[in-house]
Amino acid sequence: ELKVEQNPLFLSMQEGKNYTIYCNYSTTSDRLYWYRQDPGKSLESLFVLLSNGAVKQEGRLMASLDTKARLSTLHITAAVHDLSATYFCAVDVHSGGGADGLTFGKGTHLIIQP
Amino acid sequence: DTGVSQNPRHKITKRGQNVTFRCDPISEHNRLYWYRQTLGQGPEFLTYFQNEAQLEKSRLLSDRFSAERPKGSFSTLEIQRTEQGDSAMYLCASSLGVLSSGNTIYFGEGSWLTVV
Repeated sequence: ELKVEQNPLFLSMQEGKNYTIYCNYSTTSDRLYWYRQDPGKSLESLFVLLSNGAVKQEGRLMASLDTKARLSTLHITAAVHDLSATYFCAVDVHSGGGADGLTFGKGTHLIIQP
Repeated sequence: DTGVSQNPRHKITKRGQNVTFRCDPISEHNRLYWYRQTLGQGPEFLTYFQNEAQLEKSRLLSDRFSAERPKGSFSTLEIQRTEQGDSAMYLCASSLGVLSSGNTIYFGEGSWLTVV
């Protein structure tokens, strides 16, 4: 059974600081997704990482994927309050054909304080 | 088209009653997914459709749950004889094609179910 583990699960940090969220998964995959969720809202797609070594950046967020280590990171640079949210990583292990869908981690609840 | 649409957004029902949720995916998205999310957890996969065909069902989807997508457009998720453990947010999502081709799954706002 595929397991997707994120850490930390809770993170409180100050504005202006840098931090990294880690996502480990237990089965070979080269497709990993990061989503953001605000309280009571749905999930917003942030990044889609499709190969080993993939790196994507959007504003203060940068995501990377190491398929050999089965590890993805989401790095936050110079955090601002607006980035407070819950961040999920999700893995797709299906090779295509009939099976499809994502397995999510439990999420990292991020609070950024002034 | 502004995205995946779900209704009702909130539903409170008594234990034992049946409830039905509707999902309208993004136009031309042929894949439609249902997920369930409880507080403090990530979404859990329930089932998905390719057009009108239901291709996979999670073991989380008990016999009390049934999903349909009769014309390959909107979908319904029905829960019969609801139990308190069914209380959750039910998320619908859609994608243009298979994920292995690099497609992204886009989620709706979710339907909150409270069983009392």
